[in-house]
Amino acid sequence: EVQLVQSGAEVKKPGESLKISCKGSGFRLSDYWFGWVRQMPGKGLEWMGIINLADSDTIYSPSFQGQVTISGDKSISTAYLQWNSLKASDTAMYYCARQPYYGDYVGFVDLWGRGTLVTVSS
Amino acid sequence: DIVLTQSPDSLAVSLGERATINCKSSQSLLYSSNNKNYLAWYQQQPGQPPKLLIYWASTRASGVPDRFSGSGSATDFTLTITSLRAEDVAVYYCQHYWTTPRTFGQGTKVEIK
Repeated sequence: EVQLVQSGAEVKKPGESLKISCKGSGFRLSDYWFGWVRQMPGKGLEWMGIINLADSDTIYSPSFQGQVTISGDKSISTAYLQWNSLKASDTAMYYCARQPYYGDYVGFVDLWGRGTLVTVSS
Repeated sequence: DIVLTQSPDSLAVSLGERATINCKSSQSLLYSSNNKNYLAWYQQQPGQPPKLLIYWASTRASGVPDRFSGSGSATDFTLTITSLRAEDVAVYYCQHYWTTPRTFGQGTKVEIK
């Protein structure tokens, strides 16, 4: 089955670190990039960045550059989103998003994970 | 960054009637070399992740009912839902994939009148 399986909900305190994951299965990794999209409570979708698991090439949105780290492990078809020091404003749903790779560009999101809810509260 | 502005922010439509959502881009999303518009539409039903509806501005994704259609070119795009059904209650987003960052519109909430 073609799917993106995300790690479970997290509750953290401000200042703590966190790494969430997204594992792809049922498709050829080299045909896709993995991305992350943030949705704050009651708000819209925000594109954070994408990674090519084949070579770890990563592109960040300027809004998120330096705030998070996107990484991956191609041997287990898994992408990660990491924070070194969480803030209350990081509270949001984070969606993993698969994007087809056409060789010279990366396309739209054709498959979404179910999301990982991150709650940061003291 | 490319800014996508959707209108309206919300609309209420009677069952069986048409819903029209607009998305205006701050720059052209039409690539002249392949005559394709780098714009997609997504549906997010309550409590669910988004789902791809339309790509290349007018191509329906697999399994999407034909009451959903996309149109437009360059900077002005439209998502039309003909004959609205109860399960179409959702927030709809446009997104470009012209360059990075791949920004989204702010979303349009569709409700039943």
